[in-house]
Amino acid sequence: QLQLQESGPGLVKPSETLSLTCTVSGGSISSSDSYWGWIRQPPGKGLEWIGTMFYSGSTYYNPSLKSRVTMSVDTSKNQFSLKLTSVTAADTAVYYCARVPLYSGSFGKSWFGPWGQGTLVTVSS
Amino acid sequence: DIVMTQSPDSLAVSLGERATINCKSSQSVLYSSNNKNSLAWYQQKPGQPPKVLIYWASTRESGVPDRFSGSGSGTDFTLTISSLQAEDVAVYYCQQYYSSPLTFGQGTRLEIK
Repeated sequence: QLQLQESGPGLVKPSETLSLTCTVSGGSISSSDSYWGWIRQPPGKGLEWIGTMFYSGSTYYNPSLKSRVTMSVDTSKNQFSLKLTSVTAADTAVYYCARVPLYSGSFGKSWFGPWGQGTLVTVSS
Repeated sequence: DIVMTQSPDSLAVSLGERATINCKSSQSVLYSSNNKNSLAWYQQKPGQPPKVLIYWASTRESGVPDRFSGSGSGTDFTLTISSLQAEDVAVYYCQQYYSSPLTFGQGTRLEIK
């Protein structure tokens, strides 16, 4: 069964770059029926979509974060990654990666499942 | 952006009773290509990631108990738990995937009365 696992630093200094990796197991990141996405959840708050990508490199970002976000994929390692630049305390959150089912005409827009367990990233000096 | 508004914010229901959570979108999420509504429901238990329950507004994800059902169309949607079990205590979110940015409701906390 498909499983996803986030990894990366749990503490990032303000103005620096947050970098996370999601490792996919039990399936191929190069699957033609899947996108791959990042979602975050500030402590005690709701969910915010960050971005979605296809293994070929097509990316779809939340316009509110687009200027600071880069997603990339490493098919040889079955991993995809997130970089968020110029972080502030407002970027403190649990970051989740997830599979995003692809359907005809979806262009990155779909539901999320399954999700990784999430990783808490705190922005603090 | 499409704003998703859930009601109520919290809900307490007795074991075995029906629980109903509502979700309203600020514009229609009907996807004309397949005549289905681009609306998903998630369950998030404490300390766990969200788990998808329903997509296309009424299609149950594989393995989800049939006491969970989704309904609605256009801008108004409902998640119903027909007979509440103790393990259903969680926060429930709706999400639209009709247009970017993908957006979630604020969540509804479901507890046992």
